[in-house]
Amino acid sequence: GAGVSQSPRYKVAKRGQDVALRCDPISGHVSLFWYQQALGQGPEFLTYFQNEAQLDKSGLPSDRFFAERPEGSVSTLKIQRTQQEDSAVYLCASSPGVAGELFFGEGSRLTVL
Amino acid sequence: KNQVEQSPQSLIILEGKNCTLQCNYTVSPFSNLRWYKQDTGRGPVSLTIMTFSENTKSNGRYTATLDADTKQSSLHITASQLSDSASYICVVSGPGNTPLVFGKGTRLSVIA
Repeated sequence: GAGVSQSPRYKVAKRGQDVALRCDPISGHVSLFWYQQALGQGPEFLTYFQNEAQLDKSGLPSDRFFAERPEGSVSTLKIQRTQQEDSAVYLCASSPGVAGELFFGEGSRLTVL
Repeated sequence: KNQVEQSPQSLIILEGKNCTLQCNYTVSPFSNLRWYKQDTGRGPVSLTIMTFSENTKSNGRYTATLDADTKQSSLHITASQLSDSASYICVVSGPGNTPLVFGKGTRLSVIA
């Protein structure tokens, strides 16, 4: 597709379950970012990839969060043993270069019960 | 600490009126400043990107200004429309690969 695609759009998980969120960036985009957005807040940085290399994961809130981009295209954000405080919208964005314009997906809304 | 502060938190205006949203930042060194529009339940969409040397940039009815000396930016919306109802987020970038710093946004409601 022409834009950044994220799936699932909505996910409800029971506390303790593992979840995986997928991001398909715009074809050819080198940079890929994951953000967490709580209700009524701005997005908070989680992690950044340049091609398949994870260059910055300083925003990941705990070791329950893991992200990968093995072939430099599709990325997966995995959250293990979900907690209620993980409930948020997870936004993926891609960019053709390091400092270029960001193109966001529609987000994956995670609700942990 | 690098921060981006936006004001007001929320704003209600009548259709057809103008409004101005404010953004103050402490990010240093500074590379560029961006304004995004985020409709409810959607991802942010870029409105403008300004580098250090630019002090104004327009995108249709949206005009962003930047004062890099005072570290302030504003987004002016002219002749507002109902479809302008959204959150407007100010984002500041440092150099290189440093993460973007997002403001919390201003929630704008345009009413008939």
